Amino acid sequence: DSGVTQTPKHLITATGQRVTLRCSPRSGDLSVYWYQQSLDQGLQFLIQYYNGEERAKGNILERFSAQQFPDLHSELNLSSLELGDSALYFCASSVGATTGRGEQYFGPGTRLTVT
Amino acid sequence: QKEVEQDPGPLSVPEGAIVSLNCTYSNSAFQYFMWYRQYSRKGPELLMYTYSSGNKEDGRFTAQVDKSSKYISLFIRDSQPSDSATYLCAMSPPTGGFKTIFGAGTRLFVKA
Repeated sequence: DSGVTQTPKHLITATGQRVTLRCSPRSGDLSVYWYQQSLDQGLQFLIQYYNGEERAKGNILERFSAQQFPDLHSELNLSSLELGDSALYFCASSVGATTGRGEQYFGPGTRLTVT
Repeated sequence: QKEVEQDPGPLSVPEGAIVSLNCTYSNSAFQYFMWYRQYSRKGPELLMYTYSSGNKEDGRFTAQVDKSSKYISLFIRDSQPSDSATYLCAMSPPTGGFKTIFGAGTRLFVKA
């Protein structure tokens, strides 16, 4: 158990809908990262938050947004969902904004299915 | 060309075999090198972490980094069916964080 929690585990929704994925980092970690993993794309970095502030953006669509709250949990909002958004969404956390050590700790993921 | 190249496999070996998993990279700024293990439908789990060149051993696992060749390896001795998973290499420059780049992962099957 990495100490990172994600809810829900599974989500099935229809095209055009909006969903929210939630992540709680490991105790003491200030950075939260969101990744998308699909069969043909591997792990794709979406966005990083550090202590409530957006730190870096990766391949995140404009239909997606995220935030990190004062208690350090984070939410990833996905709107106007399309079939291609079906994937595993992982949250990871690390101690610092720039870990210096490089390692991140991953949650169990949320499996999103868009029908 | 991707910054990190990793053969997706699958790699199938008999129980007890020595497994060698590899990644190559192009960015000479990478200083931190990680191996993650990911079981089906689970999150990646950090297995090994090394800094710069050299070897690191942890039980049946050995990680090697050859910065001159831009090549990293993970060796698994006495492989077990429970080692069947996807193994992702990852690496980052000194700034780490979002600059960590993951390989595509190699699927390993260890047959009993």
